[in-house]
Amino acid sequence: GAVVSQHPSWVICKSGTSVKIECRSLDFQATTMFWYRQFPKQSLMLMATSNEGSKATYEQGVEKDKFLINHASLTLSTLTVTSAHPEDSSFYICSADSGGPYNEQFFGPGTRLTVL
Amino acid sequence: AQSVTQPDIHITVSEGASLELRCNYSYGATPYLFWYVQSPGQGLQLLLKYFSGDTLVQGIKGFEAEFKRSQSSFNLRKPSVHWSDAAEYFCAVLRYSSASKIIFGSGTRLSIRP
Repeated sequence: GAVVSQHPSWVICKSGTSVKIECRSLDFQATTMFWYRQFPKQSLMLMATSNEGSKATYEQGVEKDKFLINHASLTLSTLTVTSAHPEDSSFYICSADSGGPYNEQFFGPGTRLTVL
Repeated sequence: AQSVTQPDIHITVSEGASLELRCNYSYGATPYLFWYVQSPGQGLQLLLKYFSGDTLVQGIKGFEAEFKRSQSSFNLRKPSVHWSDAAEYFCAVLRYSSASKIIFGSGTRLSIRP
């Protein structure tokens, strides 16, 4: 199956700094990627839809100025957590739409963010 | 809008016993349904998916799921569980809007009793 990577796999940062997470589709092009957030022992919550060449679409309640998404190419989407605070500590997972007939998505391995 | 419900938060079964994890969906037409597994601290692995056709779907690791329209269910089953099956299991549905989004259920944590 198609492969999606995320970098870094884990990051620790100080409160007030910004952190960038990359999501790459390694062997296919993805015009649409998705970003999820998962708190411990909870389900994945969709944060936003990342569209190549256009602005991301955010789910209700997600601060677009806090979570900046850029989808500059067909294989790369980035999520930047700006001015991170401890409550932003979470597991962030991306997925990429393969563009097949059923819009099958492939998930990255996730990035663990810890804000001190 | 399409959604899924997983009524069981935590299930414990003995190794070698059979398993059934429940998932109910909400959608008028035929939904696109998935089951994913997540080991602690890991990403998601797709176990199986249902788009159309045969209502009994075979997946990886010996899992299967049956789509039952009359019951709005898509339950995951395995005839004999192994200790390595201990993980979090998520049922999910593809939701159609401006983009096709995958919406996850709340998850069921599976523990295996030796």
